[in-house]
Amino acid sequence: EAQVTQNPRYLITVTGKKLTVTCSQNMNHEYMSWYRQDPGLGLRQIYYSMNVEVTDKGDVPEGYKVSRKEKRNFPLILESPSPNQTSLYFCASSLAGPHEQYFGPGTRLTVT
Amino acid sequence: QKEVEQNSGPLSVPEGAIASLNCTYSDRGSQSFFWYRQYSGKSPELIMSIYSNGDKEDGRFTAQLNKASQYVSLLIRDSQPSDSATYLCAVGFGNEKLTFGTGTRLTIIP
Repeated sequence: EAQVTQNPRYLITVTGKKLTVTCSQNMNHEYMSWYRQDPGLGLRQIYYSMNVEVTDKGDVPEGYKVSRKEKRNFPLILESPSPNQTSLYFCASSLAGPHEQYFGPGTRLTVT
Repeated sequence: QKEVEQNSGPLSVPEGAIASLNCTYSDRGSQSFFWYRQYSGKSPELIMSIYSNGDKEDGRFTAQLNKASQYVSLLIRDSQPSDSATYLCAVGFGNEKLTFGTGTRLTIIP
């Protein structure tokens, strides 16, 4: 089954404790992206990766890092999480460019 | 800052009627336009994409694009209760980034 998977689905953590949210796709897609979704603000792009060699900042990259060492995986790293990073996070992928993206199931993160 | 604007709603439409959802965007150079549907507690799913001026139809859904007016809309004919969801407009700026509107919550009234 073609899909984007994220883990964990739910995470409660404390300020400053490094965490990683994994994202994997099995569709051989070149483009992958991370979004956060907050009430009233909609989906905002954090980072995107055009392919294994190109990764760049989206609209809200502060406090986040990403890594694209292989085509199928695109983990999101929070080196020192803060309460303002409490949000619903989505990973997405598409064949090429930010078009017609498939979204993962989401990760609900709470930072206390 | 590239902007995509949507009326947040809620928009209530009787079952069987036409639901009309609207979206405006700020960048005249935008090339790609998408409508995603998001059910409560679920992830967004793509329902329509449109790249050139005019209408594009897919089943009960029609996307309309007017680049001169910087306006994209989604029409849902014969609305069903299962169409109740939040509809997200997304606009591609260049070939790298995608910007979403805040979404319009649609409720179909049986």
